[in-house]
Amino acid sequence: DGGITQSPKYLFRKEGQNVTLSCEQNLNHDAMYWYRQDPGQGLRLIYYSQIVNDFQKGDIAEGYSVSREKKESFPLTVTSAQKNPTAFYLCASSPGLQGRAGETQYFGPGTRLLVL
Amino acid sequence: AQTVTQSQPEMSVQEAETVTLSCTYDTSESDYYLFWYKQPPSRQMILVIRQEAYKQQNATENRFSVNFQKAAKSFSLKISDSQLGDAAMYFCAYRSAWETSYDKVIFGPGTSLSVIP
Repeated sequence: DGGITQSPKYLFRKEGQNVTLSCEQNLNHDAMYWYRQDPGQGLRLIYYSQIVNDFQKGDIAEGYSVSREKKESFPLTVTSAQKNPTAFYLCASSPGLQGRAGETQYFGPGTRLLVL
Repeated sequence: AQTVTQSQPEMSVQEAETVTLSCTYDTSESDYYLFWYKQPPSRQMILVIRQEAYKQQNATENRFSVNFQKAAKSFSLKISDSQLGDAAMYFCAYRSAWETSYDKVIFGPGTSLSVIP
């Protein structure tokens, strides 16, 4: 089945620790995204990538880093510089610049990050 | 900058009844896409319905339909024959069709829908 997987489902971070959230897609999509969702709120864009080896900051990139070495993978690292990382993190992908159908984003199941 | 507003933080509907969720947006662009996403308690975001602004016909997907009023910048979602599984948070979203803004999806704050048995 084609889709987006995120792991782990739950992640615990200690103070001063960097943690990495995994996002993999087998939809052959060019574009991938990371969002943060706080309780009772909407989604805020952290980083996005439209093509391999390229990515752009979103609205709340401080304290986060990403890489896009492979088309199917877009891991997100939450660094110790992110002072309030407790949130739900959603990864999404879209076909990208492949005609008008490319704009629809499809989401993974999410990762809940908690600080110990 | 574009904005998306959902003025109803919470709504409820009786099972088998019809409910309409409101969404308004602000943009100066003429070509764009609008979406409704559903986020059930599992928190997976699921695409419910999609509308292309250049199409006048309202999109429908089974029990879900939209009322797209481009001049009024309104994009409401109607759920007919509501089912218990429809209980979720619903997000309205906007995406520009212009290549320079292609990457940005603007989400509204969401409406929490409860379905009463």
